[in-house]
Amino acid sequence: EAGVVQSPRYKIIEKKQPVAFWCNPISGHNTLYWYLQNLGQGPELLIRYENEEAVDDSQLPKDRFSAERLKGVDSTLKIQPAELGDSAVYLCASRQRTSGSGSGELFFGEGSRLTVL
Amino acid sequence: KNQVEQSPQSLIILEGKNCTLQCNYTVSPFSNLRWYKQDTGRGPVSLTIMTFSENTKSNGRYTATLDADTKQSSLHITASQLSDSASYICVVVSFGNEKLTFGTGTRLTIIP
Repeated sequence: EAGVVQSPRYKIIEKKQPVAFWCNPISGHNTLYWYLQNLGQGPELLIRYENEEAVDDSQLPKDRFSAERLKGVDSTLKIQPAELGDSAVYLCASRQRTSGSGSGELFFGEGSRLTVL
Repeated sequence: KNQVEQSPQSLIILEGKNCTLQCNYTVSPFSNLRWYKQDTGRGPVSLTIMTFSENTKSNGRYTATLDADTKQSSLHITASQLSDSASYICVVVSFGNEKLTFGTGTRLTIIP
């Protein structure tokens, strides 16, 4: 079975340009996360979806970032316009939420590395 | 504020040697603690998941321990191999809202 698939793997753009990242989670996983990871740091949550509902987007910079998860499967993360400080790796992760325990294993994609010039 | 602190930040050891990575957390209420391995340029991969009642769990040469009273965990790597070179990230999951709090990771380098 395929894991979490992200594209593109690498993207180089000039500042003020828009960019979009796509994530296809593992089949049947109802919880989907977008994380931002800077070099040498742990991932930081941008947004979490339960099915198609964004249940935690408190850390998403809504002036320039947007995300959607139509039909509760694939998701896209968009930045418009991009700034120099947005250069980072954008990780998508998914898991099958189990009732109560929260112990469902979390699977990450390979990430999309963004460079803003 | 929920926090996860890892030490050391980086570690270099000779191939074949053992090492131990540390994770201290202040996350409450606690649900479970996870260790991930992240190779350079790749996404994190799960090594272990430990709940409140588990104080040790092994995955091949990796052994994680958990002391829920002192809120500490360790990851012990036995007979290190060159392929163990990676960042190791400790993640603590909150009970209820299932929020994940990530540590900044320990960068491990194995040299021949």
